[in-house]
Amino acid sequence: EPEVTQTPSHQVTQMGQEVILRCVPISNHLYFYWYRQILGQKVEFLVSFYNNEISEKSEIFDDQFSVERPDGSNFTLKIRSTKLEDSAMYFCASSAKSNQPQHFGDGTRLSIL
Amino acid sequence: QKEVEQNSGPLSVPEGAIASLNCTYSDRGSQSFFWYRQYSGKSPELIMFIYSNGDKEDGRFTAQLNKASQYVSLLIRDSQPSDSATYLCAVMREDYGQNFVFGPGTRLSVLP
Repeated sequence: EPEVTQTPSHQVTQMGQEVILRCVPISNHLYFYWYRQILGQKVEFLVSFYNNEISEKSEIFDDQFSVERPDGSNFTLKIRSTKLEDSAMYFCASSAKSNQPQHFGDGTRLSIL
Repeated sequence: QKEVEQNSGPLSVPEGAIASLNCTYSDRGSQSFFWYRQYSGKSPELIMFIYSNGDKEDGRFTAQLNKASQYVSLLIRDSQPSDSATYLCAVMREDYGQNFVFGPGTRLSVLP
């Protein structure tokens, strides 16, 4: 069964450094998403992406965040200058159509020191 | 502010019993409703989705939706210890960028 893949599984970075989290959505999916989950808290929406542009972003997705689809398969989340509070699990998801179930990758655990 | 509420639990049921998980949402324009299961340290895994009022059954799982009451539930029949996990309710409204609003999850414990 096709799946969403995310790399790396764990990223440790010094505060203030830039990180790029990578995702390969399911190949025939058109809608892409990033969510985050701080330990012990609920899953929070960051950004949705369709047709090579951001559809919607949350208040969390401020100027330090950006997304890109650099080629036909990858979907990346960049955090420009990381803060301690960015430590969380980051999930990428994709769906075939806008109202269909979203399929999640295994996540990247981001630890900011 | 769109809110999705769930009892945090833990909800404990004996093996073989029916587990009933509930979710309410504040945005009356919500159109699509999803249940995900999340094991500790893992990613959300889709269980079921429902778009229309009424019941939808898939194996041991039944989703129930009542848009008038802004309420969606998940029933798990013949609960197994492997069903022990956190169950996340997610709600979506297409004209808001198709993103999910997740509830905090209900932790289910199925006792052997």
